[in-house]
Amino acid sequence: NAGVTQTPKFQVLKTGQSMTLQCAQDMNHNSMYWYRQDPGMGLRLIYYSASEGTTDKGEVPNGYNVSRLNKREFSLRLESAAPSQTSVYFCASRAGQGDYNEQFFGPGTRLTVL
Amino acid sequence: SQQGEEDPQALSIQEGENATMNCSYKTSINNLQWYRQNSGRGLVHLILIRSNEREKHSGRLRVTLDTSKKSSSLLITASRAADTASYFCATGPNFGNEKLTFGTGTRLTIIP
Repeated sequence: NAGVTQTPKFQVLKTGQSMTLQCAQDMNHNSMYWYRQDPGMGLRLIYYSASEGTTDKGEVPNGYNVSRLNKREFSLRLESAAPSQTSVYFCASRAGQGDYNEQFFGPGTRLTVL
Repeated sequence: SQQGEEDPQALSIQEGENATMNCSYKTSINNLQWYRQNSGRGLVHLILIRSNEREKHSGRLRVTLDTSKKSSSLLITASRAADTASYFCATGPNFGNEKLTFGTGTRLTIIP
């Protein structure tokens, strides 16, 4: 099993450009998450999907959109990138059955917006 | 806003010593989890403690939870160079709630 995979690993954008970050998991998990990590800020939740077909906003959703394409895949889109969106983005998944289970993280995408 | 705050922000110890890091949080929780992040990598789950538990062990890890003080501690015994990483606490605030809220992390450096 590959676990949680993310593409791309690195990306540089110019202000105003758009892009989609891809995430897939092969653990048959119900819940999936997108976080951003900035220096000294820990992880902040952008969006999450508790099950296929549902999405909800997290702490910092502005400037982002998401799609839960199917049970395996959860994508994050930046429609018009801004320098403030320079960050490391992590996707995670969770079994979602019961309260007491952990999240599994992908390796991250390092995004720079110039 | 961050639910968890780790203390200290950074910690350097000699290999073989014990490392203790603390986490404080603000609201009622369902469970508290600790994660490790090696440089340039994603987070890896270490241990979960439920709100009705006071202490839990896993290998060289010992976690305590004091819900009256809204705090938790992570003890790593007999540290190794491979323990060098950032450690984050994360709280699950409500029954059935999907979301975890992460703290800002403790950067642990083990000196060989």
